[in-house]
Amino acid sequence: EAGVAQSPRYKIIEKRQSVAFWCNPISGHATLYWYQQILGQGPKLLIQFQNNGVVDDSQLPKDRFSAERLKGVDSTLKIQPAKLEDSAVYLCASSFEGGDIQYFGAGTRLSVL
Amino acid sequence: LAKTTQPISMDSYEGQEVNITCSHNNIATNDYITWYQQFPSQGPRFIIQGYKTKVTNEVASLFIPADRKSSTLSLPRVSLSDTAVYYCLVGGSGSARQLTFGSGTQLTVLP
Repeated sequence: EAGVAQSPRYKIIEKRQSVAFWCNPISGHATLYWYQQILGQGPKLLIQFQNNGVVDDSQLPKDRFSAERLKGVDSTLKIQPAKLEDSAVYLCASSFEGGDIQYFGAGTRLSVL
Repeated sequence: LAKTTQPISMDSYEGQEVNITCSHNNIATNDYITWYQQFPSQGPRFIIQGYKTKVTNEVASLFIPADRKSSTLSLPRVSLSDTAVYYCLVGGSGSARQLTFGSGTQLTVLP
């Protein structure tokens, strides 16, 4: 069974630039999560989708972050404009339903210079 | 918000049993307790999940007391490859409750 795919693995940008991350969840998983993990900390949930609807985006900095899951499968997370404090690993995970066991991708490591 | 508290770090030696306890005082009736393992440069990986009493699988056991306000992950006979960060997560199936990872427990297994 294929796991959660994320791309790119690494990204280096300058502050005020924009960046986008892509995630393809496990087939059949209705719930998709985006997390931000800063070095030395646990993952912080940014947004949770159930199919193509948003379940929870309370911790998403909506002035600069956006995410979509238009067809209920793939998802894109965008940051525009990026700040230095956005340097982190961005993890995507999926589960059969919300609250179920989550399967994580390898993440995208973002460095903002 | 299902907040969890774990020790920041633990050291052990190869071949020993390791127990990591997580406190979750405000666990809700329909919440499950799930433990994940994370190696550097990888996403967290599911270890074990339980609701009450004891659950055992091929890699770990999970002990949950009757009040469910804490849980203990038990790793039998650890090896160097078990060095990782371990997180407990509390949440319900189908739940829209905010899922919160704590800072995790850095387990270091020494030779």
